[in-house]
Amino acid sequence: EVQLVESGGGLVQPGRSLRLSCTTSGFSFGDFGMSWVRQAPGKGLEWVGFIGSTAYGGTTEYAASVKGRFTISREDSKSVAYLQMNSLRTEDTAIYYCTREEMSPIAAPIYFDFWGQGTLVTVSS
Amino acid sequence: EIVMTQTPLSLSVTPGQPASISCKSSQSLLHSDARTYLSWYLQKSGQSPQLLIYEVSNRFSGVPDRFSGSGSGTDFTLKISRVEAEDVGVYYCMQSRSVFRTFGQGTKVEIK
Repeated sequence: EVQLVESGGGLVQPGRSLRLSCTTSGFSFGDFGMSWVRQAPGKGLEWVGFIGSTAYGGTTEYAASVKGRFTISREDSKSVAYLQMNSLRTEDTAIYYCTREEMSPIAAPIYFDFWGQGTLVTVSS
Repeated sequence: EIVMTQTPLSLSVTPGQPASISCKSSQSLLHSDARTYLSWYLQKSGQSPQLLIYEVSNRFSGVPDRFSGSGSGTDFTLKISRVEAEDVGVYYCMQSRSVFRTFGQGTKVEIK
């Protein structure tokens, strides 16, 4: 059974940092890309960023709203993906979901087939 | 950025009746590999989103066949042939034509 479990959320002051973890099981983690998606309170879904599988170079892409502040990484030996969030702003307050990416035949990320339960990040003074 | 626009934003349906949600993209979602990367997700209250449909019309594993997707280019539709109580929630379309994924605003479906 595929499982994704996020951790590391909490209350943080503006300008500070936080690192989220996504611990996975039930599939060959190294073969898949991973993305983070967030949802502000009462709002819709916003894609945050993506990391490709190591076999395809582990490339990363980020939404404009977080580029330069957030970094996604992965540790295949532990089947874990990370979201490092720096210079946090109040508008980053959201539930952060880790998702598994299905990849196309040309290694493009094409949909999120499994989601974690989410972890709440609250940025407030 | 590819903008995704869903209509309606809310829908109240009698159980057993059909429902339809439209999703329009600001540019064609046909990829250079000749596939169209439009997916649909359902988020039930208090839960994570779940995949329903991928590549316009393919039902994900375990998704009931009352759900169907159609469309091409910039216009897409999710249909529920006979709405059941368990179908309530917010439905989102999402494009993956660009790696910079974008979602529609969401359509809230409730039961009358």
